[in-house]
Amino acid sequence: DAGITQSPRHKVTETGTPVTLRCHQTENHRYMYWYRQDPGHGLRLIHYSYGVKDTDKGEVSDGYSVSRSKTEDFLLTLESATSSQTSVYFCAISESSYQETQYFGPGTRLLVL
Amino acid sequence: QKEVEQNSGPLSVPEGAIASLNCTYSDRGSQSFFWYRQYSGKSPELIMFIYSNGDKEDGRFTAQLNKASQYVSLLIRDSQPSDSATYLCAVNIGNDYKLSFGAGTTVTVRA
Repeated sequence: DAGITQSPRHKVTETGTPVTLRCHQTENHRYMYWYRQDPGHGLRLIHYSYGVKDTDKGEVSDGYSVSRSKTEDFLLTLESATSSQTSVYFCAISESSYQETQYFGPGTRLLVL
Repeated sequence: QKEVEQNSGPLSVPEGAIASLNCTYSDRGSQSFFWYRQYSGKSPELIMFIYSNGDKEDGRFTAQLNKASQYVSLLIRDSQPSDSATYLCAVNIGNDYKLSFGAGTTVTVRA
């Protein structure tokens, strides 16, 4: 298995609070991604990174921000959590080009009350 | 129109039968195609990738790609109960490293 960990694995929070999810990799891969998975929608890209301090938005980026200060860590922040952000969040990594497979972390289950 | 669409499930097949999963995509510039398997409560794991038109076989799995018709399929031969999972089709968007995923097809193999 690719060396990807996510923390926390489960979190319950209240509407309006900030939340930060962490993705850590030991593979030294250049690309990192954050997805959310909801029933009926499959995996949707939130943000991605193509290098340290290089990030860009995905298709569902509103209400989320990211940071990558080191190759191995990619943080996802919900500025002010809403119930619509209740979801399962997956981090993924890939080594380089569009032909490279993305490998997924174990996921974080977030419940916003 | 969604970028990647999969045949709706759930798909129920008897043990030992062939399960056939289909996926269509909208971007003619897409060049990389992936099938992931996801067990309930787990993360997606790669089964196969395919880049060229035609068939690619790996054990009991065969991926088929037809770029002219913009579809990619996955066949699971000699289906086993352990194949019961949701299968996700993923396609790269143009000449880019981002993937677009289908909503998935849930397969149940009946013993």
